[in-house]
Amino acid sequence: ETGVTQTPRHLVMGMTNKKSLKCEQHLGHNAMYWYKQSAKKPLELMFVYNFKEQTENNSVPSRFSPECPNSSHLFLHLHTLQPEDSALYLCASSQDRATRSEGYTFGSGTRLTVV
Amino acid sequence: AQKITQTQPGMFVQEKEAVTLDCTYDTSDPSYGLFWYKQPSSGEMIFLIYQGSYDQQNATEGRYSLNFQKARKSANLVISASQLGDSAMYFCAMREGPISGAGSYQLTFGKGTKLSVIP
Repeated sequence: ETGVTQTPRHLVMGMTNKKSLKCEQHLGHNAMYWYKQSAKKPLELMFVYNFKEQTENNSVPSRFSPECPNSSHLFLHLHTLQPEDSALYLCASSQDRATRSEGYTFGSGTRLTVV
Repeated sequence: AQKITQTQPGMFVQEKEAVTLDCTYDTSDPSYGLFWYKQPSSGEMIFLIYQGSYDQQNATEGRYSLNFQKARKSANLVISASQLGDSAMYFCAMREGPISGAGSYQLTFGKGTKLSVIP
């Protein structure tokens, strides 16, 4: 148990489907993040939430829709995705006031395949 | 321009030997932090070690040490006495801005180095 739990671990969806990724943390962190990890590319920051408020949307297409109902939960709603959206989606959280030498705590990711 | 550059896509090391993974960074901010993460095949990113831009000494955490050369803007990870369980992807990352303060902050990652430990 890492402290950041992502479900599902694997997801295969068609281009017309609607699905959601879930992230949950029990670390008392107030900042949560979605990253996309594609093969042979650096991790790409998608969204940042601080105290449930979205503070960063890194030019992500509207077919990705985040939701943060509280500081412990973060969702990524998916609809009409493209095959190039297939990737590992990583959720992370961080302290907002503690020293930032702790970095992020990551979940294990959701491996998404769009067919 | 890339902010974090990892020039070694893949590395091999003999078990029990030491290995150095390269990382160079680019920032004009005088206050920044550098991180190394390990990503096994399971996918989870595991924090290994941190170096702050104002830290006078190189960071060490068990078998991990960070060779910080500020003038060269490099932050190489050294793993001593490699073990089979060290086989994984390794990512260098940077946080720009002060070490403390309120709110979220961004980490910028490199492309990673795949380390394979040979028995």
